[in-house]
Amino acid sequence: DVVLTQTPSILSATIGQSVSISCRSSQSLLDSDGNTYLYWFLQRPGQSPQRLIYLVSNLGSGVPNRFSGSGSGTDFTLKISGVEAEDLGVYYCMQATHAPLTFGSGTKLEIK
Amino acid sequence: QVQLKESGPGLVQPSQTLSLTCTVSGFSLTSNSVHWVRQPPGKGLEWMGGIWGDGSTDYNSALKSRLSISRDTSKSQVFLKMNSLQTDDTAIYFCTATFAYWGQGTLVTVSS
Repeated sequence: DVVLTQTPSILSATIGQSVSISCRSSQSLLDSDGNTYLYWFLQRPGQSPQRLIYLVSNLGSGVPNRFSGSGSGTDFTLKISGVEAEDLGVYYCMQATHAPLTFGSGTKLEIK
Repeated sequence: QVQLKESGPGLVQPSQTLSLTCTVSGFSLTSNSVHWVRQPPGKGLEWMGGIWGDGSTDYNSALKSRLSISRDTSKSQVFLKMNSLQTDDTAIYFCTATFAYWGQGTLVTVSS
């Protein structure tokens, strides 16, 4: 199975600060169809996960443009340009290139 | 708009079978995939398996021997059945459509 390693596991930020989360895969996530099936989700406390980013860098519907995704192959990054209070929660990356689908272990964003 | 709602028993006895239903609206099961994801209390997300638009299924290799996912397109429902439940199967169980839309989740406790 593909292992996704997220760092850091905990991130503390002030309002307005820009932060990045890394997701590294044990295998390339480039599919034979040319797509890279790497997603980012935010799970706020007590809520269901919300998709932020799909196919590495595409912003989900209704997601603020302070969120951005980048990367290729095995290394991916989620960036928040100007953290807001509503961004607190746990961020997960997920790959859907290789079955079984797998999630990273999560990065908890705390607001200072 | 797209909506998903999980339903099923909140309490299951050890060694028994769990049956959950995901009722969807606002999208076609024959054109989109639906997946089950679970989250033990205080822990991360685990993909369990999914059913694709063509009706084919994929499962988490760790659960494959005791998990079955099916659907009834006429009722817009997707079903999860998992046997031989143990206490570490206690979790919130989510259904999600293409990972863009999520249900609220349902807590299943395995206990005698």
